[in-house]
Amino acid sequence: EAGVVQSPRYKIIEKKQPVAFWCNPISGHNTLYWYRQNLGQGPELLIRYENEEAVDDSQLPKDRFSAERLKGVDSTLKIQPAELGDSAVYLCATRDRYTDTQYFGPGTRLTVL
Amino acid sequence: GDSVTQMEGPVTLSEEAFLTINCTYTATGYPSLFWYVQYPGEGLQLLLKATKADDKGSNKGFEATYRKETTSFHLEKGSVQVSDSAVYFCALIIGGGSQGNLIFGKGTKLSVKP
Repeated sequence: EAGVVQSPRYKIIEKKQPVAFWCNPISGHNTLYWYRQNLGQGPELLIRYENEEAVDDSQLPKDRFSAERLKGVDSTLKIQPAELGDSAVYLCATRDRYTDTQYFGPGTRLTVL
Repeated sequence: GDSVTQMEGPVTLSEEAFLTINCTYTATGYPSLFWYVQYPGEGLQLLLKATKADDKGSNKGFEATYRKETTSFHLEKGSVQVSDSAVYFCALIIGGGSQGNLIFGKGTKLSVKP
């Protein structure tokens, strides 16, 4: 079974530029999460989807961050414009409802210069 | 609010040494508890979990017991290997199913020397 796929793995941009991250979940996993992991910290939730509906976006900085999950499968997280403080690893995870376990993708390491 | 506190690293051990990584939590409800591991250059992987008090999670020689009375979930391994070098994250989730969000500790980096 394929795992959670994320792309790109690395991204370097200048501040004020836009950037987008893509996530393809494990087949059949309806719940999808985006996390941000700052250096030396644990992941922190940005947004949670149940199918195509964002059911918890309370931690998403909505002035510059947006996300979508069309058709309840793939998801995209966007930052526009990026700031220096957005440098982090952005992780996508999906949940197996039978084992109630979250599976993480490899992440996208964003560097904002 | 709900939170997880882990012992700070890095932890450096010799091969075959005994490992303990402390984890305590604060939660308003009855959480499920997890240990995730992040090997260099890889994503987070679930190592083990426990869903109720006194449960013991185990995997790959690692163990952790859900202690409600001390609100702890310490990770142990009797004999570590070089390949165990990684960052270990303790986490909890309140209200499982699709309602819960994982809350992570800051992680503990383990380095095992041959």
